[in-house]
Amino acid sequence: KNEVEQSPQNLTAQEGEFITINCSYSVGISALHWLQQHPGGGIVSLFMLSSGKKKHGRLIATINIQEKHSSLHITASHPRDSAVYICAVGGNKLVFGAGTILRVKS
Amino acid sequence: GAVVSQHPSWVICKSGTSVKIECRSLDFQATTMFWYRQFPKQSLMLMATSNEGSKATYEQGVEKDKFLINHASLTLSTLTVTSAHPEDSSFYICSARAHFPGAGGYEQYFGPGTRLTVT
Repeated sequence: KNEVEQSPQNLTAQEGEFITINCSYSVGISALHWLQQHPGGGIVSLFMLSSGKKKHGRLIATINIQEKHSSLHITASHPRDSAVYICAVGGNKLVFGAGTILRVKS
Repeated sequence: GAVVSQHPSWVICKSGTSVKIECRSLDFQATTMFWYRQFPKQSLMLMATSNEGSKATYEQGVEKDKFLINHASLTLSTLTVTSAHPEDSSFYICSARAHFPGAGGYEQYFGPGTRLTVT
């Protein structure tokens, strides 16, 4: 079993849909990161959180430390949200999930 | 949020040459910088951890003489791929970590990555 598991692996949504990507982990952490990687490869840091919930625009990230689980939500999804979303957990050294490939169709 | 830049964003070099990739924290001082490598359709893999003014710590299996890391200041770390070979072609990503008291502790931000192609 991987230390960081993301689900689903692939997700296709229609424009406007509410999207949820999940991340479960088994390692001890001081923080959890959500990253976005576009087809060209560039990485964008979306969130870093250690408790509770953060919101930025249409993106919301939550974490439950007791359950070792985090979710990334995208409201009113748009084709430009199509990317790979990566969960990474840890402290000084991060362990990365395999990523969720999201495709939003117009 | 804090910004980390990498330069160049992509580079093509000939086999046997060396190439340097820069990682800069633009609006904060990073006590620690990390270098990652990503092969196609795979996740990021940590190569080394670099603290300002000290030698980098390399992960198992990463050749320190091939991947030279210099962290000369709190805002700049460089990765030099020496005597590059086609199998070194990959996507190289850095991240920078710093203490933000207002944010409640350490935070880490990722650079956009550098795509290296060795011909």
